Amino acid sequence: DAGVTQSPTHLIKTRGQHVTLRCSPISGHKSVSWYQQVLGQGPQFIFQYYEKEERGRGNFPDRFSARQFPNYSSELNVNALLLGDSALYLCASSLDSYNEQFFGPGTRLTVL
Amino acid sequence: GEDVEQSLFLSVREGDSSVINCTYTDSSSTYLYWYKQEPGAGLQLLTYIFSNMDMKQDQRLTVLLNKKDKHLSLRIADTQTGDSAIYFCAEKTDSWGKLQFGAGTQVVVTP
Repeated sequence: DAGVTQSPTHLIKTRGQHVTLRCSPISGHKSVSWYQQVLGQGPQFIFQYYEKEERGRGNFPDRFSARQFPNYSSELNVNALLLGDSALYLCASSLDSYNEQFFGPGTRLTVL
Repeated sequence: GEDVEQSLFLSVREGDSSVINCTYTDSSSTYLYWYKQEPGAGLQLLTYIFSNMDMKQDQRLTVLLNKKDKHLSLRIADTQTGDSAIYFCAEKTDSWGKLQFGAGTQVVVTP
């Protein structure tokens, strides 16, 4: 069975640009969560979606937004990129918003 | 508070047991998790424990939970070179799924 997939694997952007990251959950999973992992630190929670509705939001500015589609895949959007947005962005899926979360390989974003 | 703390580094010889420690601050934690991250990869769920349990064993892995001291540990028996990675503990405190992670413990296994 396929695990969580994310695209692209790597991305290089410049300050001020916009980026869209994509995630496909494990088949049958209805909840997707997004985390940001800065080098040398643990992942920080950004959003959780369940059945296309936002269930939770972490302490991130409004430049960060996300959505979930009817097929349960998800997009994370970041506007007006800053150097500090450079990180590994991880997507995790779970059966619903309560169950254990399984992570994808991540998208490595570099902002120059 | 929402701090999860871990020691940063552990060196262990191949064949020995590894013990990775974690402390958390939120007494309302419901589940506690251990994840493994290899270089350049995502997080792999190793095991988890419900907050009303004291111990959970899964093959080479043993999780101990001391709820009074808010202390969680992961013991890896017969540590192998493939166990070299960063290990994260995480707690779930909300009724939904937000995970709060520690900074990770880098485990280096030497021959």
